[in-house]
This record gives sequence, structure tokens and C-alpha cells, in this order.
Amino acid sequence: DTEVTQTPKHLVMGMTNKKSLKCEQHMGHRAMYWYKQKAKKPPELMFVYSYEKLSINESVPSRFSPECPNSSLLNLHLHALQPEDSALYLCASSQFGGRVFYNEQFFGPGTRLTVL
Amino acid sequence: LAKTTQPISMDSYEGQEVNITCSHNNIATNDYITWYQQFPSQGPRFIIQGYKTKVTNEVASLFIPADRKSSTLSLPRVSLSDTAVYYCLVVLSNTGKLIFGQGTTLQVKP
Repeated sequence: DTEVTQTPKHLVMGMTNKKSLKCEQHMGHRAMYWYKQKAKKPPELMFVYSYEKLSINESVPSRFSPECPNSSLLNLHLHALQPEDSALYLCASSQFGGRVFYNEQFFGPGTRLTVL
Repeated sequence: LAKTTQPISMDSYEGQEVNITCSHNNIATNDYITWYQQFPSQGPRFIIQGYKTKVTNEVASLFIPADRKSSTLSLPRVSLSDTAVYYCLVVLSNTGKLIFGQGTTLQVKP
């Protein structure tokens, strides 16, 4: 299995809702990432988990809360989002953890989030 | 402060070789350069990675001159299915920070 899966594919939520995005990989990768991508822009790194521990938080607002229950799963909990948070949320994984992010990242198809 | 710059768009015809250059000032010796391809409504897909001279795989080549201030992704004999956005990415070895270029939209015409 060489893919990263993300659910749901699409999500529409109000500003008072709480929702979660889910990401899963079964490649034995030890680093997992969350990115946010706006239309016609490059992905913006949000969080990195290395060996199931939060390694990088790129000053993301607390209304986004990541969680890594085990080495195969990565969640992104959403609460009190703003309309400007509407974007494609991408999950990725790479083989090695640690501070060495030289290795190839495998991306999922993303969750298209719309905040009303 | 490291920054990557690439052309916004390029056009090509089927069967031609396409070269996309990314400028990246102030990168360190151990900073790798990686290229990704992205189709609409999909996540990026790894193409190639290197940090000096030339790297070649089954789909592309990556040329990095000695001064490492730029890198060039070379796609041989493109086809219509190569129409996509191509991103240059530099990972800063001292911080792990990812510096994406703004992306180059390649349009391949028949």
C-alpha cells in the first residue's frame, strides 16, 4: 500500500462547528505532515509529526489542533474556524522522522474545506 | 532569508523538452532541492530531488550549478498528461523550514 488516504474528501462547516480531518498511511512512514493550500498558491506547512510527536508547529492558530494517535494516523481537529480558513488541507508522510526532511513526501488527495 | 522564485507559467508542445528553472538564494550546502508536480484537485507528487550537480531518474533530470543559486528541472519529451503545476521546494537543513516556490503552470499543447 503506497498511498496516503484522507477523509472526508469535502467538508462544509459553520464557524461554530467542531469537525475533524483524518489522514492514514500504511507505508511505515515515521513523519507525517499537515499542509494548507489556497487556490493557485503553494502548500503551506502547518504541522509536522516525527515519531508520533509534534515536531514543528508553524505558528498555526489554536483553532487547528493536530493529533497523532499512532504512527499510521494523523488527525486535524477544527473548531471555531473563520471563512478565510477555507482551503484544501493536504496530509503527507515521509519515510524518516527527525529533523531531516530531505526525503520524499507522499501526499494524500486532500480535504476541500469550506467554512461558512 | 532564503526564497525561491520560478516562472509563473510556461507553454510547450508535445514531444519537446521542457526546462523549468528555480532561483534560490541563500541556501546552505546541505539544503536539498526537490521538485513536485500537482494536478488539479490532487496532492503534489514527488518528481526528483538533489543538492548538487545532476540527478536523473526515469521521468526527469535535475541540474544544479556549482553556485547552487538556481536549479533546473528538465522534462524530456513532454506529453499532454504533463500539463500540471510544478513546484520547486527547498528544505533548510538547519531549521527544517520548507520554502516552496510559487509554482510554474506548464501547459503542453498538441
